[in-house]
Amino acid sequence: KQEVTQIPAALSVPEGENLVLNCSFTDSAIYNLQWFRQDPGKGLTSLLLIQSSQREQTSGRLNASLDKSSGRSTLYIAASQPGDSATYLCAVVLNDYKLSFGAGTTVTVRA
Amino acid sequence: GAVVSQHPSRVICKSGTSVKIECRSLDFQATTMFWYRQFPKQSLMLMATSNEGSKATYEQGVEKDKFLINHASLTLSTLTVTSAHPEDSSFYICSATFSAGVEKLFFGSGTQLSVL
Repeated sequence: KQEVTQIPAALSVPEGENLVLNCSFTDSAIYNLQWFRQDPGKGLTSLLLIQSSQREQTSGRLNASLDKSSGRSTLYIAASQPGDSATYLCAVVLNDYKLSFGAGTTVTVRA
Repeated sequence: GAVVSQHPSRVICKSGTSVKIECRSLDFQATTMFWYRQFPKQSLMLMATSNEGSKATYEQGVEKDKFLINHASLTLSTLTVTSAHPEDSSFYICSATFSAGVEKLFFGSGTQLSVL
């Protein structure tokens, strides 16, 4: 069974600082890995998707890396802003459609 | 991007009653829909997968008689929590896809269920 762990569980930084969020998974035979953002009481917004054959994906201030052999992914958020405050979820896919989620990292960016 | 509408966003009910949650794909035909639940500070857990016109496939440990899922059309799936109890209080969220690939996966905004 795929286990997905996210560390830290919570993170508080001053505005402008870079964020580093970690995700680890136990089964390296993944189809892809996705990072999502979840605002309180809201649905999920897909941020980045990394195919198993890729090592990283970038979108604006976001960069996600993937090391499948070691079962790790890292999400970097550059120059954080208060609007980045949210819970960030990592999810891996072994078979089509079914995602295994981590518990998330709750980020607070202080103005 | 594609939109998935989930309703209601919040519901409070008495123990023993049934609650229906709707998940609609507004601008695409959803061949497959998924239902997740999330307890505070925990991961989203897949409850079931539903394909239009066929019975839902439930994950291990999910009671199919308690969580009734109907996917009667390509744009609507419903989750009914029957005889709800306080331990069913959770955040329920649906997602939908229209292609053979999880890249095309869109999430609803979730429903916070509180059972008194």
